[in-house]
Amino acid sequence: AQSVTQPDIHITVSEGASLELRCNYSYGATPYLFWYVQSPGQGLQLLLKYFSGDTLVQGIKGFEAEFKRSQSSFNLRKPSVHWSDAAEYFCAVGARAGNMLTFGGGTRLMVKP
Amino acid sequence: DAGVIQSPRHEVTEMGQEVTLRCKPISGHNSLFWYRQTMMRGLELLIYFNNNVPIDDSGMPEDRFSAKMPNASFSTLKIQPSEPRDSAVYFCASRDSRNEKLFFGSGTQLSVL
Repeated sequence: AQSVTQPDIHITVSEGASLELRCNYSYGATPYLFWYVQSPGQGLQLLLKYFSGDTLVQGIKGFEAEFKRSQSSFNLRKPSVHWSDAAEYFCAVGARAGNMLTFGGGTRLMVKP
Repeated sequence: DAGVIQSPRHEVTEMGQEVTLRCKPISGHNSLFWYRQTMMRGLELLIYFNNNVPIDDSGMPEDRFSAKMPNASFSTLKIQPSEPRDSAVYFCASRDSRNEKLFFGSGTQLSVL
């Protein structure tokens, strides 16, 4: 069975500091990997996704993520956090030909002025 | 495109009442998903449809829950009778089959008193 673990429930960073959100997955085949962001009162928005090819993927809002197969990880990074990045972030894994995504528990990001 | 549209945004009801949540997917998307988000369980897939046909409803918690998709532009999730433990945010999402990308609605905040 597939599973996704986001070890950090809450993270607080100062504005302008760098950010890394961790995501580890368990999956028996080649995964599709996603990062979604949920801002307060909003739905989920796709930040970026990895299907194949270059293991470093660029997304919207200055985010990037690196797929490391040996570590079963897909960590999300941003070099300089803005106050508007405060939100909840979800990592998800799915099958190449399937329809179902498994989500991690989410990481709530708070940004200090 | 207006995106995935869910209604109502907020629903407050009393235990035992019937609740109907509505979703209009993005035009042209042929897959539709219902998710539930709670603090305890995170984001869970309840059911998904392909071409208006329910494919997997194994995530539906109980017989009190039912979902329909009478046509490509409309779906409902019904809870009858509702219970306080059903209180959660319910998300609808539709999928662009060309790139596996999910688009989420803003969700319905359900409170069952």
